[in-house]
Amino acid sequence: GENVEQHPSTLSVQEGDSAVIKCTYSDSASNYFPWYKQELGKRPQLIIDIRSNVGEKKDQRIAVTLNKTAKHFSLHITETQPEDSAVYFCAASWGAGRRALTFGSGTRLQVQP
Amino acid sequence: GAVVSQHPSWVICKSGTSVKIECRSLDFQATTMFWYRQFPKQSLMLMATSNEGSKATYEQGVEKDKFLINHASLTLSTLTVTSAHPEDSSFYICSAFTGGATNEKLFFGSGTQLSVL
Repeated sequence: GENVEQHPSTLSVQEGDSAVIKCTYSDSASNYFPWYKQELGKRPQLIIDIRSNVGEKKDQRIAVTLNKTAKHFSLHITETQPEDSAVYFCAASWGAGRRALTFGSGTRLQVQP
Repeated sequence: GAVVSQHPSWVICKSGTSVKIECRSLDFQATTMFWYRQFPKQSLMLMATSNEGSKATYEQGVEKDKFLINHASLTLSTLTVTSAHPEDSSFYICSAFTGGATNEKLFFGSGTQLSVL
């Protein structure tokens, strides 16, 4: 099965700085890579995703890059704000059809005002 | 966007009792739903895949007789934790894909915090 590793486990940045979270996956057949933001006690919210036919995707202050050769993908948040503070999870899914996601271990991002 | 509804949001029960959690897709049909469990400060771990009209597929180490899953319609899946024990206390959350083949996305229910006394 798929194995997803995520780093760092915690990340503290100053407001306005950028934050980068990295994930690696094991199964080269994986083709869908979403990122979720989870606030304490709440459901994970999809913030951005990328599919294996694309190398980069951007949505305002958030971007995701994918390197299929190295089997890693990254989340980039620019101009961080205190409300960006949360736990971020990467995930990967492989194969055709709607298969379950395998999640990384999570990164707790703290944006200091 | 798509909405996945989950009830109850939290439940406290005595050890040995059973608890049922409902997961509904509100504006789309979901032939498949996924149940995850999340312990404090940990990641989401897949428990089982719920398939409409057929048996659920359980992940290794998840007891199918303890975590009963029923997916009787295209919009409803239920998870019943039978004979709950304190070690079953966790955040249970369901999810479902929506969208077309090239833009499908996984959305989560609001989760159920289960506390077994």
